[in-house]
Amino acid sequence: DAKTTQPPSMDCAEGRAANLPCNHSTISGNEYVYWYRQIHSQGPQYIIHGLKNNETNEMASLIITEDRKSSTLILPHATLRDTAVYYCIVRVVIQGAQKLVFGQGTRLTINP
Amino acid sequence: SAVISQKPSRDICQRGTSLTIQCQVDSQVTMMFWYRQQPGQSLTLIATANQGSEATYESGFVIDKFPISRPNLTFSTLTVSNMSPEDSSIYLCSVGGPAGGPYNEQFFGPGTRLTVL
Repeated sequence: DAKTTQPPSMDCAEGRAANLPCNHSTISGNEYVYWYRQIHSQGPQYIIHGLKNNETNEMASLIITEDRKSSTLILPHATLRDTAVYYCIVRVVIQGAQKLVFGQGTRLTINP
Repeated sequence: SAVISQKPSRDICQRGTSLTIQCQVDSQVTMMFWYRQQPGQSLTLIATANQGSEATYESGFVIDKFPISRPNLTFSTLTVSNMSPEDSSIYLCSVGGPAGGPYNEQFFGPGTRLTVL
């Protein structure tokens, strides 16, 4: 089972920052948080991942709370092309194997 | 990032037949995975393809139904056997880590859209 909880849908105005929350209250100390997005009919696209510290790359920023029980993905200037389903994933270790277990994600709609 | 290709990109098959999906990566990778995405649903991990040994299947998936091969560090196949309409899904290959290196980023192929009549 997925270890994350996300709102099923969100809306954001074009040009504004999109902040996507994720709860992962049962995360273990060595488990990473990953974010992917899936635009209709395409394979999921890797966005960013982190363990404890906040992370930033050319696509987004990832803010992880100090207790690691939740995180927020920030798209600083959302465009219409950012409309997609966003998945927050905790990479779990099961019997020594690392795996991404997907939840239901957040459907983000960017409005003009 | 790794460039992943899948063949075929889509197919329409008759029930009772089998289809083999190929996944090719442009570099050697440590991990290869197969996922299924049923219509309107999220992704479900089918199995981890292990190089030179049997795949490791998730609960609810069995080797007789989804045989997997991984002959080397850049290639894997997934066969969907004895298909029924319930197997209609997008099947996605995913890879992680450079071979011999850290496994941090995991990338997905474009998927194979399968329709079973």
